[in-house]
Amino acid sequence: GAGVSQSPSNKVTEKGKDVELRCDPISGHTALYWYRQRLGQGLEFLIYFQGNSAPDKSGLPSDRFSAERTGESVSTLTIQRTQQEDSAVYLCASSSPGAFGVTYNEQFFGPGTRLTVL
Amino acid sequence: AQKVTQAQTEISVVEKEDVTLDCVYETRDTTYYLFWYKQPPSGELVFLIRRNSFDEQNEISGRYSWNFQKSTSSFNFTITASQVVDSAVYFCALISSYTDKLIFGTGTRLQVFP
Repeated sequence: GAGVSQSPSNKVTEKGKDVELRCDPISGHTALYWYRQRLGQGLEFLIYFQGNSAPDKSGLPSDRFSAERTGESVSTLTIQRTQQEDSAVYLCASSSPGAFGVTYNEQFFGPGTRLTVL
Repeated sequence: AQKVTQAQTEISVVEKEDVTLDCVYETRDTTYYLFWYKQPPSGELVFLIRRNSFDEQNEISGRYSWNFQKSTSSFNFTITASQVVDSAVYFCALISSYTDKLIFGTGTRLQVFP
C-alpha cells in the first residue's frame, strides 16, 4: 500500500493478557516510530527504529513493553500482562532518509490501533 | 529540555472566521525542526508543514499560513476563512539534533461551526 498500515485497527483484551500490535511502514522508509495517544491527550513517544536497531527506547513506559523490527520493514509492539492504563491508541509512523538525516524528515502516520484493556 | 506548549486547549469559531493556533517551544539546540500535524475525527495524523530553525520566512499555503519567530520561540498557525472541514485537533511538534524524538504539544481542538 501507499501509506503506513497498522493491524489490528481495534483490539479488546482482558487485563493480564499479552497483545501484539503490527506496523507496516512505507516502503523505503528506514525510520519507524511508535507513539501512544491516550484519550484526549497528545502523542507520547515510545520507541524509534533506524533500520532494525532501536537507538532510542527511552519512551517505553515499563519492561512490559517491547518492540522489534525485522527486514527494515514490519515492526511489532508487544505489551505483556496488559493493564487498564495501557488502554490507548498506538500510532506508528515512518520517515524517509534525507540529506540531513532521517530524523528531520516528516513522519507519516498510520491509522493507529485502538487498544482497550478490560 | 525539549518542550512544546499549546496553551489553547479548544477553540470554537464560526465558518469564515480567521483563527490562529499558538505554539511555543523550548529547546537548547540551535538546529531543530518544527512541524504542524492535523488529526481529523478519523484519527489519522496528517502532516501540514515542516520548518527548520534557520528559516524564519513565513509560509502561506492556500488558506493556511505559519508565522515562525525565533525571538519568541513561537511557531503559530493561522487558518484564514475557516471551513467546517478544518475541524480537527492540531498538533505542533519539535525535533532537534539533541534528540531523535518528535516532541508533541498537547494539541488544540478546533471546532468550526457552520
